[in-house]
Amino acid sequence: AQTVTQSQPEMSVQEAETVTLSCTYDTSENNYYLFWYKQPPSRQMILVIRQEAYKQQNATENRFSVNFQKAAKSFSLKISDSQLGDTAMYFCAFMTDMNYGGSQGNLIFGKGTKLSVKP
Amino acid sequence: GAGVSQSPSNKVTEKGKDVELRCDPISGHTALYWYRQSLGQGLEFLIYFQGNSAPDKSGLPSDRFSAERTGGSVSTLTIQRTQQEDSAVYLCASSWSRLAGKYEQYFGPGTRLTVT
Repeated sequence: AQTVTQSQPEMSVQEAETVTLSCTYDTSENNYYLFWYKQPPSRQMILVIRQEAYKQQNATENRFSVNFQKAAKSFSLKISDSQLGDTAMYFCAFMTDMNYGGSQGNLIFGKGTKLSVKP
Repeated sequence: GAGVSQSPSNKVTEKGKDVELRCDPISGHTALYWYRQSLGQGLEFLIYFQGNSAPDKSGLPSDRFSAERTGGSVSTLTIQRTQQEDSAVYLCASSWSRLAGKYEQYFGPGTRLTVT
C-alpha cells in the first residue's frame, strides 16, 4: 500500500522569504503522479502543482516549485517570495497511473503541514 | 466555468438520523470522488466513480455509507444511522477521464457534518 508522510506539522515563514515543505512517500509503483494541494481556512482544496513520475524535470508554477527525487521517494515544495495569502494547510498527495496498470483511482494524502506567513 | 459544488455547506444532525450530501461535478468530468476529512484521520478516500463502470467502494468505512451517481453527473453520499464519529468535512472532487491522461482532481468546498 502507498503511504505519504509529511514530517512537519507546522511551519512559519516571514513574508517575502522562501520556505520548503517536505514530503516523502512509499510505493512499489514506477508510474504515478504527485501533487501539492493548498487548503486555506475557507476549506477549498486548491491544486498548487503536479509532477509526473516519468518526468525528470522538476515542475514549477510561478513562485512554487518542487524538488522531485524519485530514487529517494521525496517530493518537497518550495515557495519563493512568500505572501500572506500563502497561509494555509498544504497537503502532499500521491496517485497511481491507471494507464500503466495502477489499480488505485484515488488520491492518497499526507497529514498536512500548516504554513503561517508572518508580516 | 463553474467549479464543483456541494450542498449543504453545513449539516447538523442528531445521532441515529440519516443524512444525504450532494455533489455537482464540473460539467464533462467523468470521474467523481468522495473523501472525508477529520481531525483524527486526515483525508481519507471513500468512493470513486468512473463513467459507467462499477464504483470503487473500497474506502467506505462501514455499510452505513453508500453513494450513487445518477446520469453520470450528480452524486449523493448517504450516511445511515449517523454516529458521532461520522462528524467530519466531506469533500467531493471530479476530474476528466483518468484513461485519457487528464487526471487532476478539482475539489468542491465540502460539507461539514456535525452529529450531536
